[in-house]
Amino acid sequence: KAGVTQTPRYLIKTRGQQVTLSCSPISGHRSVSWYQQTPGQGLQFLFEYFSETQRNKGNFPGRFSGRQFSNSRSEMNVSTLELGDSALYLCASSLVTGGETQYFGPGTRLLVL
Amino acid sequence: AQTVTQSQPEMSVQEAETVTLSCTYDTSESNYYLFWYKQPPSRQMILVIRQEAYKQQNATENRFSVNFQKAAKSFSLKISDSQLGDTAMYFCAFEAGGTSYGKLTFGQGTILTVHP
Repeated sequence: KAGVTQTPRYLIKTRGQQVTLSCSPISGHRSVSWYQQTPGQGLQFLFEYFSETQRNKGNFPGRFSGRQFSNSRSEMNVSTLELGDSALYLCASSLVTGGETQYFGPGTRLLVL
Repeated sequence: AQTVTQSQPEMSVQEAETVTLSCTYDTSESNYYLFWYKQPPSRQMILVIRQEAYKQQNATENRFSVNFQKAAKSFSLKISDSQLGDTAMYFCAFEAGGTSYGKLTFGQGTILTVHP
């Protein structure tokens, strides 16, 4: 089975722009979670989607949003980029939630200048 | 809210030796799951081991095993016969059962270096 894929792998944007990141889960997985990884804050949960519904959200401003499509693919969007949004963005998929193993993609490295 | 603490920012071990990484957590949940993930320099997060809190038996996966002390809220990872490929950042993670909805809470990580 193919693993979790994320596109693009690298991205450079400037302050004020917006960005959309994409995540394709493992076939059959219905839950997709997103995380932000930075040297200072570590790994932080952004949100989770299951069957096109956002069921959980971390403590991030409204500039961070996401969605999930009927094929379970997910996108996250960050509007009005700030320098502090520079990070590795990881998505993970699982069959369901509630303790099921999450399988991670390779991440998208975003640099905001 | 749950918290996960890894008190060892860095560890090193010689090849073929054994090393133990520490993790403590704080929660009021009774149903939860604990994980160890490794993140090598490629940044790909890889599951090492998973433990269900309601199971008293410690999980093992080949050279990797955990010491799960529920009362003490401790979840350490033991790596036996360390290999160069074990060099990575190791994260301890917690997920509450039931209504966690995919939220993993991670510790700050421990950088493990295996020396030849």
